[in-house]
Amino acid sequence: DGGITQSPKYLFRKEGQNVTLSCEQNLNHDAMYWYRQDPGQGLRLIYYSQIVNDFQKGDIAEGYSVSREKKESFPLTVTSAQKNPTAFYLCASSRGGGITDTQYFGPGTRLTVL
Amino acid sequence: EDQVTQSPEALRLQEGESSSLNCSYTVSGLRGLFWYRQDPGKGPEFLFTLYSAGEEKEKERLKATLTKKESFLHITAPKPEDSATYLCAVQAASNYQLIWGAGTKLIIKP
Repeated sequence: DGGITQSPKYLFRKEGQNVTLSCEQNLNHDAMYWYRQDPGQGLRLIYYSQIVNDFQKGDIAEGYSVSREKKESFPLTVTSAQKNPTAFYLCASSRGGGITDTQYFGPGTRLTVL
Repeated sequence: EDQVTQSPEALRLQEGESSSLNCSYTVSGLRGLFWYRQDPGKGPEFLFTLYSAGEEKEKERLKATLTKKESFLHITAPKPEDSATYLCAVQAASNYQLIWGAGTKLIIKP
């Protein structure tokens, strides 16, 4: 089965800690994305990557970092610099290539700051 | 400024009562408009992509239409399992990023 997996499903962070959210896809997609979802708001783009070893900041990149060392993987680190990290985090992927293509989403990770 | 607005925020219907959800947008050239369904605590599930005014797509009880300023998601004779939040997103010609609406929460009562 092709798809996108995210882990963990729930994550709890203490003040001052960095945490890393995992995202893996086996769809052979070139592009991958990280979004943040808060109640009553549209999805907001954190980072995206259109090719291995390259990524760009989205609208709300401050306090977050990513890497793209493999085509299948796009982990997101929420650093202690992110002041309000409690949210639902969604990873997505698409074929990429500079065309209008559909983004497919993983099941999400809910991060809570204790 | 590119913007997407969905209405209503929430919609309660009786089973079998047809209705429509609205997604209005202002972008400098539309590359595509996307509809997704999201169940509580889960990731969005892709439904449709529309590319040009006048285009329509259907899937089971759902039909999506597109004009130059808005899209409608028509739900015919809905069932309780159609209850979800429906998200709309647009891709402008000038930018590959998607601009998302806040969603419409649809509740179908048996």
